[in-house]
Amino acid sequence: TQLLEQSPQFLSIQEGENLTVYCNSSSVFSSLQWYRQEPGEGPVLLVTVVTGGEVKKLKRLTFQFGDARKDSSLHITAAQTGDTGLYLCAGPSGNTGKLIFGQGTTLQVKP
Amino acid sequence: GAGVSQSPSNKVTEKGKDVELRCDPISGHTALYWYRQRLGQGLEFLIYFQGNSAPDKSGLPSDRFSAERTGESVSTLTIQRTQQEDSAVYLCASSRSRIYYEQYFGPGTRLTVT
Repeated sequence: TQLLEQSPQFLSIQEGENLTVYCNSSSVFSSLQWYRQEPGEGPVLLVTVVTGGEVKKLKRLTFQFGDARKDSSLHITAAQTGDTGLYLCAGPSGNTGKLIFGQGTTLQVKP
Repeated sequence: GAGVSQSPSNKVTEKGKDVELRCDPISGHTALYWYRQRLGQGLEFLIYFQGNSAPDKSGLPSDRFSAERTGESVSTLTIQRTQQEDSAVYLCASSRSRIYYEQYFGPGTRLTVT
């Protein structure tokens, strides 16, 4: 069974601080995705990483896929209050496109 | 164009009653997925539709859960004889195809079983 473990589960920081969220598995994934979810809404895709060692940047967010394609990280530089939300990593399982999700990291950025 | 829509947004029901949750996917998206999310947690896969067939039902937690889809359009998730542990947000997602992994999620239906 493929599992994704996220850490930390909760993070409360001040505006302007940096943070990193981790997503780990003992299984190899063909790709990993990161989603952000706000209360009362569905998850919204931030990025898909496909190649081992890949680094993608989205403004202040940097995503990395591990060389062995078993882990990924999300780094936020100079966090803003608008970054507050639930961050989820997910990977495809099998050939149906269904996604396996980590349990999520709740980020609170205080002004 | 319009995104994925779900109805109702909230549903409160008594234990033992049946409920139906509806999902309208993005037009042209052949793949449709249902997930369940418990409070503050990640999403659990329930069922996958390709067109109106369901080749993967492996995530349905019991035979009280069923789903159907009309063509490449609306899908309905039915929970019979609801139990308190069924309380969760039920999310629907659609995708252009099963090999195109970018899924677009609806806002979910929050189900509370009292």
